[in-house]
Amino acid sequence: SQQGEEDPQALSIQEGENATMNCSYKTSINNLQWYRQNSGRGLVHLILIRSNEREKHSGRLRVTLDTSKKSSSLLITASRAADTASYFCATDGGGATNKLIFGTGTLLAVQP
Amino acid sequence: GAVVSQHPSRVICKSGTSVKIECRSLDFQATTMFWYRQFPKQSLMLMATSNEGSKATYEQGVEKDKFLINHASLTLSTLTVTSAHPEDSSFYICSARDPFGGGSKGYTFGSGTRLTVV
Repeated sequence: SQQGEEDPQALSIQEGENATMNCSYKTSINNLQWYRQNSGRGLVHLILIRSNEREKHSGRLRVTLDTSKKSSSLLITASRAADTASYFCATDGGGATNKLIFGTGTLLAVQP
Repeated sequence: GAVVSQHPSRVICKSGTSVKIECRSLDFQATTMFWYRQFPKQSLMLMATSNEGSKATYEQGVEKDKFLINHASLTLSTLTVTSAHPEDSSFYICSARDPFGGGSKGYTFGSGTRLTVV
């Protein structure tokens, strides 16, 4: 089952610009995670934000979480061509298995 | 850090045959692993949760007789696509979480298997 939506579906920016991706989800969560996927490859974990956190930073990444609106955003600052990839949010609803449910994804293209 | 090895990375098989995909946690024990399916330009869809020593838990709409999951040890889960058909062609990805890896680590994913059924 798909947990939620991401927007935009695709985003094209110039190197050096910031990229913002948004994620909305439907049910209560334990935490929300962002992942990156290069074409045809596995996923790389970027950052995890817990349900009691509102903002988190990691290098050029900034994640916000608004549990009242069931939404999150990922900001990549000073983008580079190497940031070109698909980005997915995933929610962990907790429970016995902690299964991750992914959003629809944003395809980011950073033009050199 | 936690590493999950998945193979084969690519497999082409004839319609009607079965294909087995392996997922191993290399430096941690995983009582639970997850299997996802991804169609081109789409997101990952959770197929099933693989539980060590017990039956897998399948998501709604996933045929358990079609996609056999075996989690025989704490480091190995296998997905067998039985009697494969062209519509089973997809990218299959496994994942696991190191329970002692720290709460901010997220899940580790295998590199995926591209299955093409001809």
